[in-house]
Amino acid sequence: DSGVTQTPKHLITATGQRVTLRCSPRSGDLSVYWYQQSLDQGLQFLIQYYNGEERAKGNILERFSAQQFPDLHSELNLSSLELGDSALYFCASSSPAGGRPTDTQYFGPGTRLTVL
Amino acid sequence: AQSVTQLDSQVPVFEEAPVELRCNYSSSVSVYLFWYVQYPNQGLQLLLKYLSGSTLVKGINGFEAEFNKSQTSFHLRKPSVHISDTAEYFCAVQYNFNKFYFGSGTKLNVKP
Repeated sequence: DSGVTQTPKHLITATGQRVTLRCSPRSGDLSVYWYQQSLDQGLQFLIQYYNGEERAKGNILERFSAQQFPDLHSELNLSSLELGDSALYFCASSSPAGGRPTDTQYFGPGTRLTVL
Repeated sequence: AQSVTQLDSQVPVFEEAPVELRCNYSSSVSVYLFWYVQYPNQGLQLLLKYLSGSTLVKGINGFEAEFNKSQTSFHLRKPSVHISDTAEYFCAVQYNFNKFYFGSGTKLNVKP
């Protein structure tokens, strides 16, 4: 158990809909990262937040957005969903100080999104 | 463009045999290298990372990797694998203190 929690575990929705994925980092971790894992694209880094602010951006679509709240939990919002958005979405958190990208990241179990 | 290549999508090996999982990356001035393992239905777990210093990096579960700058490689090795090592392994590279790029993964299948 990494200490990172993600809800829900599974999500089934229809094209055009909007969903929110939630991540709670390990206690004390200030950085949160979001990743997408799909059969087509493999594992892709989406975005990183550090202490409430966006720190780095990867291959995140404009239809997707994220935020980190004062209690450090994070949400990934996916809108206008397409079939190709079906994937496993992982959240990771890293050590308390600095939020450096080379800090060890601890991954949550993921949210499996299925778009029908 | 920056990229990470894992040449083998699947590697079958017998228990107690040695294994090498290959990873090559596109060259850059500043690069950090990582290997992650993903067990079925679980998230990723860091095996080891190279940031600087000794080119031979030792990780958890008996794995090690060698950073070879001239060949732009970071191959993962284990001298004797166990059934419990069956999982998917991802090489990842961070360029210039910025984004992470992951390889396509190598499924290691350890047979009894």
